[in-house]
Amino acid sequence: EPEVTQTPSHQVTQMGQEVILRCVPISNHLYFYWYRQILGQKVEFLVSFYNNEISEKSEIFDDQFSVERPDGSNFTLKIRSTKLEDSAMYFCASSEFNANLYGYTFGSGTRLTVV
Amino acid sequence: GQQVMQIPQYQHVQEGEDFTTYCNSSTTLSNIQWYKQRPGGHPVFLIQLVKSGEVKKQKRLTFQFGEAKKNSSLHITATQTTDVGTYFCAADTAGGYQKVTFGTGTKLQVIP
Repeated sequence: EPEVTQTPSHQVTQMGQEVILRCVPISNHLYFYWYRQILGQKVEFLVSFYNNEISEKSEIFDDQFSVERPDGSNFTLKIRSTKLEDSAMYFCASSEFNANLYGYTFGSGTRLTVV
Repeated sequence: GQQVMQIPQYQHVQEGEDFTTYCNSSTTLSNIQWYKQRPGGHPVFLIQLVKSGEVKKQKRLTFQFGEAKKNSSLHITATQTTDVGTYFCAADTAGGYQKVTFGTGTKLQVIP
């Protein structure tokens, strides 16, 4: 079964530092997403990406966040200056078609801890 | 933004008992999806419902979409310890075509 892979699985960073979370979506998928989940809470949408550009973003996805697809396989989320409240599990997801029609395949997540 | 609410927030059941979680929206939904997240894991897509009044079954799981397409339910018959996890509904609530909004989730604990 094809998988979405995320690295690293855990990341600890100091407040104010930049972090890059990496994802390799399923190869034939066209739509890519980042979600986050603060411990014990619901899964929150951050951003969707299609055709090499952001298609939607939430109010959480402010100027300190950016996404990139630097090559044909990787999809990255950068947080420029981390804050304590950025501590969460970050999930990458991909879908072959629109996710609201066919559902997502999620990666195993990166647990980000900002200290 | 629009919220998709789920009840209950937590449910403890004895193994073998049934379990139901409900998902409610104040607005009409175009479709609804259900995901399961095991403890420490990631959400896994279970099913999607599109039609008003639609009912779908997966073994012991029964999913239903309300007639008004504002609510949905997931019913598990004769729970097993493998059913433990958090069940999320997810829906396109704001007309965006490339994202879904996750509900608040119901955490199920099955007591052996």
